[in-house]
Amino acid sequence: DAGVIQSPRHEVTEMGQEVTLRCKPISGHNSLFWYRQTMMRGLELLIYFNNNVPIDDSGMPEDRFSAKMPNASFSTLKIQPSEPRDSAVYFCASSFSTVSGTQYFGPGTRLTVL
Amino acid sequence: GENVEQHPSTLSVQEGDSAVIKCTYSDSASNYFPWYKQELGKRPQLIIDIRSNVGEKKDQRIAVTLNKTAKHFSLHITETQPEDSAVYFCAGSYSGAGSYQLTFGKGTKLSVIP
Repeated sequence: DAGVIQSPRHEVTEMGQEVTLRCKPISGHNSLFWYRQTMMRGLELLIYFNNNVPIDDSGMPEDRFSAKMPNASFSTLKIQPSEPRDSAVYFCASSFSTVSGTQYFGPGTRLTVL
Repeated sequence: GENVEQHPSTLSVQEGDSAVIKCTYSDSASNYFPWYKQELGKRPQLIIDIRSNVGEKKDQRIAVTLNKTAKHFSLHITETQPEDSAVYFCAGSYSGAGSYQLTFGKGTKLSVIP
């Protein structure tokens, strides 16, 4: 099993640019989670999907953030326009929710907004 | 919503000693409590978990205990080794809306001194 796959692994962009982060969950998993990790705020849940449907997006900081899951094997997190305070590591995780709550994390995308 | 408090934020132990990290949670409906280990620059990885119908679980040198009445759970690492040095996160969750939504503690940075 390849595990959760995220791309890109590192992204450096300038303020105001659009950023798109990508995630491929583990095959067969039906829940997908997007997290943001910073030193100040720790691990924050941004949004999660169950069976491709967004269930809770209350963690999305503002309208500049959006997420989609067009099918069971792909999700995107988009920031438009990006700001320096968006700099963080963004993790995607997936789980097989009808079996257990165990979430498996991807390697993360380190985003730097200049 | 769930709130998870984790203590201490940093912990230093001598190699071979034991380490204990404690967490409390607020939502009595929570029924799943995983622990994740995150090494520097890496993804969080599950090391052990416990469900609310069990009071204790052990896996080699690590163990977790759960006190539902007091709403707290703890991670115990015995015979610590330098490779145990990492940040440890506890989390609480319940299976709502068909999926397990994790709320993480702020993390404990464990340093094992050779």
